[in-house]
Amino acid sequence: DVKVTQSSRYLVKRTGEKVFLECVQDMDHENMFWYRQDPGLGLRLIYFSYDVKMKEKGDIPEGYSVSREKKERFSLILESASTNQTSMYLCAVGAFSYNEQFFGPGTRLTVL
Amino acid sequence: AQSVTQLGSHVSVSEGALVLLRCNYSSSVPPYLFWYVQYPNQGLQLLLKYTSAATLVKGINGFEAEFKKSETSFHLTKPSAHMSDAAEYFCAVSRRMGNTPLVFGKGTRLSVIA
Repeated sequence: DVKVTQSSRYLVKRTGEKVFLECVQDMDHENMFWYRQDPGLGLRLIYFSYDVKMKEKGDIPEGYSVSREKKERFSLILESASTNQTSMYLCAVGAFSYNEQFFGPGTRLTVL
Repeated sequence: AQSVTQLGSHVSVSEGALVLLRCNYSSSVPPYLFWYVQYPNQGLQLLLKYTSAATLVKGINGFEAEFKKSETSFHLTKPSAHMSDAAEYFCAVSRRMGNTPLVFGKGTRLSVIA
């Protein structure tokens, strides 16, 4: 299985701060995804990437940006954190050749 | 557009009883369907997936799901619940063919009563 590592399990930030969430995979897979998870809403797609320096907006990209400079690393950036971005953030990784995504443990972000 | 509906945000069963978690989907393309499980404070783990092979799919931990095209359903079952099955379960469908972003249902929390 793919090992997906997220930089922090828990993070507390202040409103207006710039926040970086990092995701690293160990299997050289092409596809990487960022979802946010909120109670009663399931998982919603923020951004995804099919290759280095490529990115596509998901369903809720507002207030977020991403960076993929290396194949194994996909970063989610909150340019100016707001309280409504308090959530669980999940990174997922998948190869183009098969239909399965592997998830990281998640980062629970609290914005005060 | 693809969508997933999970009936029941919370299901409670007795230990040893049948587990049935319902999932209905809509898809404009032949679907790839998935069930994931999430234990407290953890990421999602794949239970099983349907990718147009056998309609009855067996997964880990004794779970299975049956793809029924006529009913657009992919319900998850387990004959006998165990305490360790208590978790949140998500049904998901691929947006397109290939490894594309998934569309998730809102999740069903399963409680198992001793």
